[in-house]
Order: sequence, then structure tokens, then C-alpha cells
Amino acid sequence: DAGITQSPRHKVTETGTPVTLRCHQTENHRYMYWYRQDPGHGLRLIHYSYGVKDTDKGEVSDGYSVSRSKTEDFLLTLESATSSQTSVYFCAIRAGGAGSETQYFGPGTRLLVL
Amino acid sequence: GESVGLHLPTLSVQEGDNSIINCAYSNSASDYFIWYKQESGKGPQFIIDIRSNMDKRQGQRVTVLLNKTVKHLSLQIAATQPGDSAVYFCAENFGSGGGADGLTFGKGTHLIIQP
Repeated sequence: DAGITQSPRHKVTETGTPVTLRCHQTENHRYMYWYRQDPGHGLRLIHYSYGVKDTDKGEVSDGYSVSRSKTEDFLLTLESATSSQTSVYFCAIRAGGAGSETQYFGPGTRLLVL
Repeated sequence: GESVGLHLPTLSVQEGDNSIINCAYSNSASDYFIWYKQESGKGPQFIIDIRSNMDKRQGQRVTVLLNKTVKHLSLQIAATQPGDSAVYFCAENFGSGGGADGLTFGKGTHLIIQP
């Protein structure tokens, strides 16, 4: 699992409430990613980080923000959750050294927005 | 837009047979490809990768073939076992950031192993 943990693993929330998901890694990887997975869409990139305080948008970033104040933690925030954000969220890190692009994934967080 | 796709959503094979999972990609600038396996309730697990300067790469019981002429990627699993049952995704990277800007995934193929 490349030393990646995600919390919470499951969450149920109501529309309009803020939600923060946490990704924690123990191996000092520079690059971290947040994806969402929905039936019929595979995994889609939300945001990514290439260092502390360095983040950028992915394919489906609307409604999401991220923060990375230290190397080991990458937070994903839904400022005001909507039902369309019901999904499974995966964090990933890039590992393997210079020139490697292999990404390894955490166990996921199942989010249900009612 | 350009995307990574799959030819079949479900593939059923007999235990012990070889499995071949296919993937088509449309971005000729893609230079790195990965196959992932995802079991129910778990995150995607890395299987094997290949760069665009190669056409074949082998791992333990798995082989990835890349045909850049027709933009086709395949994953071959030898002597399929019950533990191979999962959804398999191909992914590509064509970003200018050397992979920093994430992967583009296909929608997945569900591999079912019949006893």
C-alpha cells in the first residue's frame, strides 16, 4: 500500500456541509494525488501536489480544494458537499525515483452525500 | 476529447487459461502506460508498466504489449487463477510534467474466472 492511509474510510454527510478527507503517507514522497472513482468513469484526477504548498487542478476540480502544509499530509476539502460528489475517493503517491511515473494508491474513502 | 478506453467491459475465462485484456488509447503523445488491478473495496494495485520506447514487457505471469501504430495496449495473464478476478484498468500519462500531473484511466474491464 506504499505507506498510504486515508481517513475517514467511510463518511455519510448532508448536502451543504463541508467535508475534509485526509491522505497520509509515511515515505516522504513529493507527489501526491486525489482521484475520484464513479461507475462508468473510471478514476478521474481532482487535484495533485508536487510539494509542500504546491498544488494544481486536475480534470474534475470544481467544488474541491486541497492543501498540503507538510509532506506527509494531503487534504481534500469539499467546501459545500453536493450529491454529485458521492463517490469513492482515492489518494495516490508517485514513487520509484527520478523518471518514474508509477502511482500507488491508498485504500479509498467512500463518501455518501445525502 | 482524447481518452483511454477499453474494448470489453467484462471478460470471462476458464481457470488455467490465459487472459488477454485490451486497451485502446488515442493520444499519440502518451509515453507511459500502466496496468492496475482493483479488487472489490480496495484501491487500484500496480501490476506492470511500459514506456513508449518499448513494445513488450514481462513480469511474473503478466506481459504487457504496446502497439503504437494502432495505439493499442494489452495485458496478458498466464494461467489465470481465481485470485486474478478483479477489474483491470489501463492508464496513460502524456503530461508535460513527467507524470506529475496525473494519469488518465480507462473505464476498466471486469475479469471473471470460471472454475
